[in-house]
Amino acid sequence: DSGVTQTPKHLITATGQRVTLRCSPRSGDLSVYWYQQSLDQGLQFLIQYYNGEERAKGNILERFSAQQFPDLHSELNLSSLELGDSALYFCASSAWGMRTDTQYFGPGTRLTVL
Amino acid sequence: QKEVEQDPGPLSVPEGAIVSLNCTYSNSAFQYFMWYRQYSRKGPELLMYTYSSGNKEDGRFTAQVDKSSKYISLFIRDSQPSDSATYLCAMSAREETSGSRLTFGEGTQLTVNP
Repeated sequence: DSGVTQTPKHLITATGQRVTLRCSPRSGDLSVYWYQQSLDQGLQFLIQYYNGEERAKGNILERFSAQQFPDLHSELNLSSLELGDSALYFCASSAWGMRTDTQYFGPGTRLTVL
Repeated sequence: QKEVEQDPGPLSVPEGAIVSLNCTYSNSAFQYFMWYRQYSRKGPELLMYTYSSGNKEDGRFTAQVDKSSKYISLFIRDSQPSDSATYLCAMSAREETSGSRLTFGEGTQLTVNP
């Protein structure tokens, strides 16, 4: 158990809908990362937050947004969902958001868009 | 061209074999190198972390980095059925604008047969 929690574990929804994925980092970790893992793309970095502020952005679609709250938990919002958004979404956390930090991954949320 | 290339396998070996997993990369800014293990689409778990050229050993695992060739390897000695998983190489760059994002290889699926 990495100490990173993600809810829900599974999510099934329809095209055009909006969903929110939630992540709680390990106790004391200030930085949160979101990654998407699909069968044809592998693990792709989406976005990083550090202590509530956006630190870095990857190939995150405009339909996706995220935020980190004062209690350090983070939410990833996915809207106007398409079939291709079906994937595993992982949250990771690290202590200081530095490149030398270890990133600890949560168990993931499996999103299925029908 | 992908920044990180990894042979997806699958790789099947008998118990007790030495396993060699490899990744090549094209971005010379990558400075930190990791190997993660992922069981059945669960959250990736960090195995090894290195930041300099050379070898690093931890039990049955040895990570090797050759920055001049842009090539990293993970060796598993005395492989066990419990090592059956997908192994992902990951890297992060030194540029400030990239934050602490990890860039992953596709992953190599390993099966160790009893």
